[in-house]
Order: sequence, then structure tokens, then C-alpha cells
Amino acid sequence: NAGVTQTPKFQVLKTGQSMTLQCAQDMNHNSMYWYRQDPGMGLRLIYYSASEGTTDKGEVPNGYNVSRLNKREFSLRLESAAPSQTSVYFCASNTIRQEPAFFGQGTRLTVV
Amino acid sequence: GQQLNQSPQSMFIQEGEDVSMNCTSSSIFNTWLWYKQDPGEGPVLLIALYKAGELTSNGRLTAQFGITRKDSFLNISASIPSDVGIYFCAGRPTGNQFYFGTGTSLTVIP
Repeated sequence: NAGVTQTPKFQVLKTGQSMTLQCAQDMNHNSMYWYRQDPGMGLRLIYYSASEGTTDKGEVPNGYNVSRLNKREFSLRLESAAPSQTSVYFCASNTIRQEPAFFGQGTRLTVV
Repeated sequence: GQQLNQSPQSMFIQEGEDVSMNCTSSSIFNTWLWYKQDPGEGPVLLIALYKAGELTSNGRLTAQFGITRKDSFLNISASIPSDVGIYFCAGRPTGNQFYFGTGTSLTVIP
């Protein structure tokens, strides 16, 4: 039972570099989410996807793009990384348009 | 975004004691959620609440959806060492977006 799998687990980027964070779930869920978690703050929604082929902005979408490649995969792209994007990124999923119930282990990203 | 105030920020308790924490918002929410997060892991959904006044249990955990719809409460009875972690509340006003509190860090002293 893999659940929600995120890759990579750790990443260091230089300012201006780009990268894609990968997320895949094997539970046949429709809804998928990307959150960021910063010290002293709650999780904040970056983007979500209610179903394959649809994506919507969350609370903090600036500087990010997403792709819902198929039902299993939802990727988050940083086109030009900035130090303010240093954070822990979590992907989550659920069956329908409800609460984010299943989280991955996170990607710890540092932008220097 | 929505502001969720979660209190207390941290708690240090003896094993076997009961724990209470709460979450308040400035606006009405339609759904309240409670999560636990262990170090280096993603949050785990503990309890979901969908109606004002609703009281729901999950083992030794009990959560309530406040009747004003602006608050929620989580109680843990007879704490044990594995209860250690950070507990987050989250709420949804309308639409699909959930807003998270800043967490309550729980330490259980054996």
C-alpha cells in the first residue's frame, strides 16, 4: 500500500533554477492537492485538482504551476525558484471534492 | 486568507492526563477537521466534523463542532507517549478550500 508518494524527499536549488515536484497516488482518488508548510504557520493550499484535467488556484499560487497528468499524478512546478519558496511541500488526495485526507511524506525544498 | 487561532500553542502533560485544545475562526465554517503530524511525516486525518454541534470520537480522541460554527474542540483522554506530535485543526468556510491552524505541539511526559 503505497498511498501518496512524493519525489524527491529533499532538494536544494539555486535561485532562478526550475524543478518539478512529483506526486502520485494509487488509491484511485479524484481530488489532489498541493500544500506548503512553513515554520509557525499552518499548511497553505497552493493548487488543487478536483478531477483529471482540472486545476484551481488555492491561497498561495504565485510562482507555481501544476499539471494533472492523469488520475494518478499531480505535479508542481517552480519555474524560477526564489528563497521565499523554501518550504516543506505536501501532496494530498481524497476520493471526491472533500477534505484532503491522505498526505504524502513531503518534499523538503531549500532555495539558496 | 482565513485566520484560524489554535490554542494552546504547546502543552506538556503527564502520561495518563486528559488533553483539551481548541480552534477558533473569525467566520463561519461548514466543515472542521483535526489532524496529527509526527516529525518528518505528513499530517494524518483524525476526525472530520460536518454539522454544528456534532460530537465525533475516534478511540480516545473526541472532537466537537462548535454550535456557533466558529470553533471546534479536540479532547484526548488518558494520554500515552505515542500521542506526542503536532495537532492541527482545519476548516472550510464555503467552496473547496480548507484553512489550517498553526498547530498545538503536545509533549507527553512518561
